[in-house]
Amino acid sequence: EVQLLESGGALVQPGGSLRLSCVASGFDFSSYAMSWVRQAPGRGPEWVSAISGRNFGPSYADSVKGRFTISRDNSKNTLYLQMDSLRAEDTAVYYCAKEVLGVSDYYFDYWGQGTLVTVFS
Amino acid sequence: AIRLTQSPSSFSASTGDRVTITCRASQHVSGYLAWYQQKPGKAPNLLIYGASTLQSGVPSRFSGSGSGTDFTLTITWLQSEDFATYYCQQYYGYPRTFGQGTKVEIK
Repeated sequence: EVQLLESGGALVQPGGSLRLSCVASGFDFSSYAMSWVRQAPGRGPEWVSAISGRNFGPSYADSVKGRFTISRDNSKNTLYLQMDSLRAEDTAVYYCAKEVLGVSDYYFDYWGQGTLVTVFS
Repeated sequence: AIRLTQSPSSFSASTGDRVTITCRASQHVSGYLAWYQQKPGKAPNLLIYGASTLQSGVPSRFSGSGSGTDFTLTITWLQSEDFATYYCQQYYGYPRTFGQGTKVEIK
């Protein structure tokens, strides 16, 4: 059974930093691209960042480029999102999502339960 | 970015009804469209990909159609567990984008 378990969400002030983690199990982690997708209250999901199974060519939404960094440790089956220079508009539930192939730019067949990031002053 | 507009934004229906949700893309996306179901406090769940291919384990009362810019999700014989919010997502253009959602409520 595929499982994705996120952690690291918290309350943080504008300008602060957080690191989200997502531990994966139930599939060959290194064979699949992974993404972070966020959802602000009452809004549709928004793709944030993706990374290939072999750790190549991370990609970012324009809204987070230069502030967020995605990475993965295939030896630990873990995906990360380093979030710096946080803004109020980054407030959302952040989901870790499994892509259907080793490269990104497709759809998501499994999602974690989400972790809440709240940026407030 | 490709904008996806869903209609209606919400509506009420009864169990046993046949319901149709529309997703319109601002640009051509061929058949690269997926549909998700989301219940309150839960993550989205993949229903359909490739505009019309049912994800494994999804009941056959769900179906999708369309190509280009206009797509539909149909639920025949609505069940109590189908009351939820539905999102479309395109993966033809970069970045991938989602619709704003359609909430199906109990009448």
